Amino acid sequence: KAGVTQTPRYLIKTRGQQVTLSCSPISGHRSVSWYQQTPGQGLQFLFEYFSETQRNKGNFPGRFSGRQFSNSRSEMNVSTLELGDSALYLCASSQRLAGASTNIQYFGAGTRLSVL
Amino acid sequence: AQSVAQPEDQVNVAEGNPLTVKCTYSVSGNPYLFWYVQYPNRGLQFLLKYITGDNLVKGSYGFEAEFNKSQTSFHLKKPSALVSDSALYFCAVRDGGRGSYIPTFGRGTSLIVHP
Repeated sequence: KAGVTQTPRYLIKTRGQQVTLSCSPISGHRSVSWYQQTPGQGLQFLFEYFSETQRNKGNFPGRFSGRQFSNSRSEMNVSTLELGDSALYLCASSQRLAGASTNIQYFGAGTRLSVL
Repeated sequence: AQSVAQPEDQVNVAEGNPLTVKCTYSVSGNPYLFWYVQYPNRGLQFLLKYITGDNLVKGSYGFEAEFNKSQTSFHLKKPSALVSDSALYFCAVRDGGRGSYIPTFGRGTSLIVHP
């Protein structure tokens, strides 16, 4: 079974631009979560999508948005990029079935975004 | 509310020695606890979890973790460290009784195993 796939792996943008990151979950997984990882702040939760609906949201400004398609693939968009948005963006998928034993998140390798 | 703390930014251990990476948590209901490992330029990989049952949980690559309810801890352990265990380790907690489906992650502990 293929793992979580994130594209692109690396991205360089300039301030003020916008960017779209993509995540393909493990087959059969319907929940996709996004995280921002930086050396100073650690791993911070952005949002979670399940069945094409945003179910949970972290404490990030509205410049960060996402969506999920009917095939469970998800995209994350950041508009009006700031220098502080430079980070590793991780996507994680899970089955999100009733019962905690299935609540294991499987992570992609991430997209490293550099804002210049 | 749920929170997790990893009190050590870095742990150094000699190869062949036992290792411990510490984690404490806070939840209102029953804790669901997880450990993940991250190698350079990779995403997080699941190591093990505690949901219920035996307090000693065994996971991948020879790692185990001990759940201690009275001390609200879930320390990661390995009897004999390998240089290849050097990586960033994250503890995560989720309130199993209520609240968000999303786990809260610690800030991570860098484990360095010296040859």
